[in-house]
Amino acid sequence: QVQLVQSGGEVKKPGASVKVSCKASGYSFSSYGISWVRQAPGQGLEWMGWISAHYGDTHYAQKLQGRVSMTRDKSTSTAYMELGSLRSDDTAVYYCARESEILGVVMLHYWGQGTLVTVSS
Amino acid sequence: DIQMTQSPSSLSASVGDRVTITCRASQTIGTSLNWYQQESGKAPKLLIYAASSLQSGVPSRFSGSGSGTDFSLTINSLQPEDFATYYCQQSYSDWKTFGQGTKVEIK
Repeated sequence: QVQLVQSGGEVKKPGASVKVSCKASGYSFSSYGISWVRQAPGQGLEWMGWISAHYGDTHYAQKLQGRVSMTRDKSTSTAYMELGSLRSDDTAVYYCARESEILGVVMLHYWGQGTLVTVSS
Repeated sequence: DIQMTQSPSSLSASVGDRVTITCRASQTIGTSLNWYQQESGKAPKLLIYAASSLQSGVPSRFSGSGSGTDFSLTINSLQPEDFATYYCQQSYSDWKTFGQGTKVEIK
């Protein structure tokens, strides 16, 4: 079965960087893209960006451009999301999600368990 | 970016009620619209894809409709496990965006 297992929670100081991992299993890693989504406490879902597991192409949300980097390691079937210049409003649960495409429509089909990143001085 | 606007932001309903949530896109997106359910403290779960297709394993009381800019999610005969927050998401653009969410609470 498809599983996405994320790394554990992190506490970071403002200005630091954080790197969250998402290890995939149960499918051909290179065949599907991975999106990253975050959710601040008590808030809604925010799409952060996408990476092609095959080619490594990326699309990032405009508000995060310049601070976010998404990479992947095909040898370990792991995707990574790194966010730099952390601020208190980056405190959130970060999710990875594997895409599927059906009827020409892309959806976030499988989700990781989430990683809480807390930014605090 | 394509903006997604859901309404209402929250609603109170009773078990057995029929509930409808709407989602409007800021530009036409065809049927590239998905719905997710998120229970408190859990990861979101895909409910409906391509505007009206029910994800495998999702109860048939859930249905989706719409195309272009206006979409809706309907829950017939609300069950206790349906009290959660629901999000629409467009995937027409490479820069996928979510609606702000609709919290369905017990009346």
